[in-house]
Amino acid sequence: EIVLTQSPATLSLSPGERATLSCRASQSISTLLAWYQQKPGQAPRLLIHDASYRVTGIPARFSGSGSGTDFTLTISSLEPEDFAVYYCQQRSNWVTFGGGTKVEIK
Amino acid sequence: QVQLQESGPRLVKPSETLSLTCTVSGVSMSSYYWTWIRQPAGKGLEWLGRIYSSGTTNYNPSLKSRVTMSVDMSKNHFSLKLTSVTAADTAVYYCARDKAWFDPWGQGTQVTVSS
Repeated sequence: EIVLTQSPATLSLSPGERATLSCRASQSISTLLAWYQQKPGQAPRLLIHDASYRVTGIPARFSGSGSGTDFTLTISSLEPEDFAVYYCQQRSNWVTFGGGTKVEIK
Repeated sequence: QVQLQESGPRLVKPSETLSLTCTVSGVSMSSYYWTWIRQPAGKGLEWLGRIYSSGTTNYNPSLKSRVTMSVDMSKNHFSLKLTSVTAADTAVYYCARDKAWFDPWGQGTQVTVSS
């Protein structure tokens, strides 16, 4: 099973700041990685797939990068609605999710 | 607009079978995979498995012996059965369209395993 480790577990930032979230895979997954945003009481929402492709309708402040084992989700300037939990997910070998990073208001 | 809606009993007794249905609207189910994911309260996401419109399935190896998925194209829905449930199966269960990535998702349904 491919394990995805997300860091940090919690990121405390202010609106307007840059958020950098990390996802590390236990073995190479090429670019077969997606990022999801989940707000309380809601289902996750797909933001990025194939490591760097932004889904239609997702604001340009969200960007993804990386390949192999190290991946990053960057939110260039946090808006109030961006405070949420973010999960990475791989499908190189079955499907697994990372444990999540909570982006909270500082 | 593609929409998914989970339905089924919210309370299941230990050792019994959990059964959920996901109704799809706004798109034909043909030529897509459809997936089930669950999330215990305050925890992360666990993929349970997926089913293709033809009925081909792939299950999470950790649950394979207890999971069965089926699809009914005439009713535009697919279903999940999880046998021999315990308290550890208490979670919000989501269905989603699987295009290699999961989008969109249903709103989720809370299932509690308790006597």
